Amino acid sequence: DQQVKQNSPSLSVQEGRISILNCDYTNSMFDYFLWYKKYPAEGPTFLISISSIKDKNEDGRFTVFLNKSAKHLSLHIVPSQPGDSAVYFCAAVGQGGSEKLVFGKGTKLTVNP
Amino acid sequence: KAGVTQTPRYLIKTRGQQVTLSCSPISGHRSVSWYQQTPGQGLQFLFEYFSETQRNKGNFPGRFSGRQFSNSRSEMNVSTLELGDSALYLCASTERGPSYEQYFGPGTRLTVT
Repeated sequence: DQQVKQNSPSLSVQEGRISILNCDYTNSMFDYFLWYKKYPAEGPTFLISISSIKDKNEDGRFTVFLNKSAKHLSLHIVPSQPGDSAVYFCAAVGQGGSEKLVFGKGTKLTVNP
Repeated sequence: KAGVTQTPRYLIKTRGQQVTLSCSPISGHRSVSWYQQTPGQGLQFLFEYFSETQRNKGNFPGRFSGRQFSNSRSEMNVSTLELGDSALYLCASTERGPSYEQYFGPGTRLTVT
């Protein structure tokens, strides 16, 4: 049973526009969420996170929104740049302080010049 | 600080063999987690070690095992390799405490023929 779902395997946007990547989760025990970016042949790189006590967290061009009632979070990238082209993973943590990250399957973002 | 290092980067084994992968965490990080990445399943949690103790384990068969040494370096072992074990194996480290932001190494690409 997949507890973290990224239903869009790919997304293509134009440079300068907004990219919106979505993530849904089923486990209400998750209390911390993270986004990672992964380039080919590299390990995932931490991007931004949000605690369940917040509904928004912003870091430069990246903003993560959390809707707990809908068990949904999204990552907004504004403006999108070609260097943002990568696979983005949503991950969730919880369940008693375990360090275990539960990942979605990822969304491949392509930003076209 | 140096990042997480993993050795070897690439490995080719045949079915039935065993393999040992190594991970050196960021200096000062005491928690090490292992993940398997495959195209169909995304990143799946294998296990987590903290202070030489396995603190959490994912849903993988007993052929997958690991350990952590007193210097926080970790190894994972896969015995009786199967074709389906072909994957990118990622190691991540984190400092002790509430931070869930794990720092990943570049991974070991294992191919089983």
